[in-house]
Amino acid sequence: NAGVTQTPKFQVLKTGQSMTLQCAQDMNHNSMYWYRQDPGMGLRLIYYSASEGTTDKGEVPNGYNVSRLNKREFSLRLESAAPSQTSVYFCASSESDRRGLGNTIYFGEGSWLTVV
Amino acid sequence: GIQVEQSPPDLILQEGANSTLRCNFSDSVNNLQWFHQNPWGQLINLFYIPSGTKQNGRLSATTVATERYSLLYISSSQTTDSGVYFCAVLNAGGTSYGKLTFGQGTILTVHP
Repeated sequence: NAGVTQTPKFQVLKTGQSMTLQCAQDMNHNSMYWYRQDPGMGLRLIYYSASEGTTDKGEVPNGYNVSRLNKREFSLRLESAAPSQTSVYFCASSESDRRGLGNTIYFGEGSWLTVV
Repeated sequence: GIQVEQSPPDLILQEGANSTLRCNFSDSVNNLQWFHQNPWGQLINLFYIPSGTKQNGRLSATTVATERYSLLYISSSQTTDSGVYFCAVLNAGGTSYGKLTFGQGTILTVHP
């Protein structure tokens, strides 16, 4: 049981390049998330998907797009990378009802992205 | 949105000492979780505790939802407890659909 798997773990991009972070979970969870973690800022939600076929903006969505490909997979795309997007990105998943009750959240191991 | 404040921001202990970490939140919540981020960056869920008290080995947590705070207790600390401890909450109002808000974290260092 792998839990939440995200790739790549490390990536260096040049300003203006695009890339996609991949995430998959094998826990049959409905909800999936992308967070970014910056020094002194804690974790901030980028995008959220309550279920297959739905996505919702989080606290810091600008510069990102997401795709909930199926129940297992939730990808995060940077269309034109900027130095401000240098960060550690975490994918996560949880089982949740409409009000979010009972949804213990499980995280992937993180993706370290540097934009130069 | 809901505000989450953790204290202390930094904590240094000798191995074997006990500690208490605090999480204050500004509104009603129906979900509260504690996480440990180890020095390698991995985030581990410690407790799902929107109210009441839970214990897991040397760790325990208490949430007093009516007073809007939660406490994480670490007893007989070990060097492997080092890392950052995060509190995360879900506001009880609105249609938050599981979008947790994280505190800034408490950095714990345990010396041998």
